[in-house]
Amino acid sequence: GQNIDQPTEMTATEGAIVQINCTYQTSGFNGLFWYQQHAGEAPTFLSYNVLDGLEEKGRFSSFLSRSKGYSYLLLKELQMKDSASYLCAGLDSNYQLIWGAGTKLIIKP
Amino acid sequence: IAGITQAPTSQILAAGRRMTLRCTQDMRHNAMYWYRQDLGLGLRLIHYSNTAGTTGKGEVPDGYSVSRANTDDFPLTLASAVPSQTSVYFCASSSGQGPYNEQFFGPGTRLTVL
Repeated sequence: GQNIDQPTEMTATEGAIVQINCTYQTSGFNGLFWYQQHAGEAPTFLSYNVLDGLEEKGRFSSFLSRSKGYSYLLLKELQMKDSASYLCAGLDSNYQLIWGAGTKLIIKP
Repeated sequence: IAGITQAPTSQILAAGRRMTLRCTQDMRHNAMYWYRQDLGLGLRLIHYSNTAGTTGKGEVPDGYSVSRANTDDFPLTLASAVPSQTSVYFCASSSGQGPYNEQFFGPGTRLTVL
């Protein structure tokens, strides 16, 4: 079966660094997406990885290891506005996104 | 319009009633999707359309139908609503199938079936 696992909730301090992990099992693999979703709002695209390694985009970076079925999202210099849910999604062989339940990130001052 | 719009924003519906959720995009995207999002679960695909005139079933299609008469519109119909269809519904679109196909989401419709 297809499955995406990520922690339900994490807490971090403003200004710190946090890493949100995601493991995936998909039928075929065409990439791994991270989306951000603030409470009551729509998900918005953060990153896409299809090759192994780290992709950096400002304060956010995303890592992929295809051999381990593993990805993480790294958020640096945390700001209060980063309080949101972070959704991991794998793109399967039919180019359909398989979504994790999301990790709710709580930022404390 | 810029992006994707959905209507209504929220709705309370009696069980057994018919309801159509509307979705319109102005990005000329080929592919469109309907998801439902429930607490503690990931987004689940209900139906999708790769291009105007075609539709396909997602993970949870039962009780829902869609049509894609043109590129811009992708309505979702609940023929006879049941309480288990209480959820937040998101419409999304992307430029097409294939890798690196970022999906853009509408603001969502919060539906309560009593």
